[in-house]
Amino acid sequence: AQTVTQSQPEMSVQEAETVTLSCTYDTSESDYYLFWYKQPPSRQMILVIRQEAYKQQNATENRFSVNFQKAAKSFSLKISDSQLGDAAMYFCALYSGNTPLVFGKGTRLSVIA
Amino acid sequence: EPEVTQTPSHQVTQMGQEVILRCVPISNHLYFYWYRQILGQKVEFLVSFYNNEISEKSEIFDDQFSVERPDGSNFTLKIRSTKLEDSAMYFCASSDGQGARGEQFFGPGTRLTVL
Repeated sequence: AQTVTQSQPEMSVQEAETVTLSCTYDTSESDYYLFWYKQPPSRQMILVIRQEAYKQQNATENRFSVNFQKAAKSFSLKISDSQLGDAAMYFCALYSGNTPLVFGKGTRLSVIA
Repeated sequence: EPEVTQTPSHQVTQMGQEVILRCVPISNHLYFYWYRQILGQKVEFLVSFYNNEISEKSEIFDDQFSVERPDGSNFTLKIRSTKLEDSAMYFCASSDGQGARGEQFFGPGTRLTVL
């Protein structure tokens, strides 16, 4: 079975600073994708970044980057130059084989002005 | 930019009533999904749909639930007799391919409140 664990229920960061959100996962599949979704107060799910397991290079999207440690099954999200609009719930998700997306419990990020 | 849309944004119903949640996936997508998020909890998979039939469903998706693609654009989730514990945010998603290459695009969700 696929599992995703986010061990930080809440995090906070000062505006313009950097924060890292943790995620670990478990799967027996060799081909899988990992995602970070952002859920603002509007509760819409917005894809932030994705990582293909076969790629060694860490994905980056502007201020968002990941640290993908395949052997450790770790997939953390780094947000640089944090902005007030980054405040949201962040969900780590795993897609492997033909199974549906499996989500972690989420991390609530607060950005302090 | 194409997007998944869902209606209504908020539905309030009495326990025991039937509700239909509607989704319009992105037009060239072939795979459709429903997810549920109870307030304060994680997003949970309900069902996936491809080629006019259910391809996978979770244990949450019991006989009270059904899905349908009544025409070429809509994808609906029906709950036959709602229970209090059905109160949640329901997300529709669609993708153009199965597997990890088929990125799932989520709709804005429908908040269902069962009284």
